[in-house]
Amino acid sequence: DAKTTQPTSMDCAEGRAANLPCNHSTISGNEYVYWYRQIHSQGPQYIIHGLKNNETNEMASLIITEDRKSSTLILPHATLRDTAVYYCIVYNNDMRFGAGTRLTVKP
Amino acid sequence: NAGVTQTPKFQVLKTGQSMTLQCAQDMNHEYMSWYRQDPGMGLRLIHYSVGAGITDQGEVPNGYNVSRSTTEDFPLRLLSAAPSQTSVYFCASSYDRKNYGYTFGSGTRLTVV
Repeated sequence: DAKTTQPTSMDCAEGRAANLPCNHSTISGNEYVYWYRQIHSQGPQYIIHGLKNNETNEMASLIITEDRKSSTLILPHATLRDTAVYYCIVYNNDMRFGAGTRLTVKP
Repeated sequence: NAGVTQTPKFQVLKTGQSMTLQCAQDMNHEYMSWYRQDPGMGLRLIHYSVGAGITDQGEVPNGYNVSRSTTEDFPLRLLSAAPSQTSVYFCASSYDRKNYGYTFGSGTRLTVV
């Protein structure tokens, strides 16, 4: 299974863009990249996913490099409510969650 | 739509007791799964189902049973509770296993004493 590497924690100022990186250098050609977040002790929330092309929805943008070895989740205007643990997952038969990145949005 | 509903929200069991954690979804999702999350850690897959009548094991299936008699329901049974099963349990569902994001329930916080 392709593994992912994310920073343990990041800070972001409220109103600024939050850019969360993820390395997945062993990803295979047909494996999707998924992003979820978990706010406090709630259930994880699906954010976005992609295969090769960049994707955008009402929550975020996903930028995948051309070689697909890394990706970046972008929250364009972070708010205090975006403070959460963000999980980058390379899907291969199972959705396996690692430790994620703890994003803290500060006033 | 209620989404994914888990009951109970909290439960305390004594070692050796059995119980069933309930999970129901009203989105007509074929795929359902159970995860556990230990303090400070990511989620680990226990069991999953790709449709009614079909179940399979995940990463950490020991000590748990599942069945899927209907599309809507996917109960998780603890056969003989152990303190190591103290955790938060999340149920998730999706249109299919690969191409759609999962919708998670709010979790069941289980303590085994």
